[in-house]
Amino acid sequence: DGGITQSPKYLFRKEGQNVTLSCEQNLNHDAMYWYRQDPGQGLRLIYYSQIVNDFQKGDIAEGYSVSREKKESFPLTVTSAQKNPTAFYLCASTLGLAGGSTDTQYFGPGTRLTVL
Amino acid sequence: GENVEQHPSTLSVQEGDSAVIKCTYSDSASNYFPWYKQELGKGPQLIIDIRSNVGEKKDQRIAVTLNKTAKHFSLHITETQPEDSAVYFCAASIGNYGQNFVFGPGTRLSVLP
Repeated sequence: DGGITQSPKYLFRKEGQNVTLSCEQNLNHDAMYWYRQDPGQGLRLIYYSQIVNDFQKGDIAEGYSVSREKKESFPLTVTSAQKNPTAFYLCASTLGLAGGSTDTQYFGPGTRLTVL
Repeated sequence: GENVEQHPSTLSVQEGDSAVIKCTYSDSASNYFPWYKQELGKGPQLIIDIRSNVGEKKDQRIAVTLNKTAKHFSLHITETQPEDSAVYFCAASIGNYGQNFVFGPGTRLSVLP
């Protein structure tokens, strides 16, 4: 099956700890994205990557970090500097610039992070 | 930058009735407008999309209309069913290559049996 996988589905973290959320896709997409979703709200962009070894900050990048060493993988680290990390985190991908035009964005199932 | 507004925030309809959700956007350069359905605890799923060179698109019970002059687009669901109950998000493309998106705040649709 082709698609986007995120793990774990639920994650609990103690205050002051860094935690890394996994996102993998086998769609051969160039572009990958991380969004944060708070209850009753829309999606806010944290980071995005248009190509391997390159990524850009989104609207709410403070307290987060990413890497893009492989095309298939775009892990997100929530650092202790993120003041309110409890949220639902969504990874997405698109075909990217190779598509030649704006492409459909596909989402993973999400990771719910709770800080204890 | 781009701003997307979405109305209503909640919508309740009787099973079999139609539901309409409206979005407006601010950036005239936006050229791609997807709609997503999100069920509780799951990731958003694309249900329909429209590009700026088209005014209307239909897929079975779902249709989307786009008015580029007025900068608004709408989702229409006919013959609603209980399984249509979910949160619906609209989005508009932004950026030089339109590879990023701004999302509306969502509409919670409840279809009452």
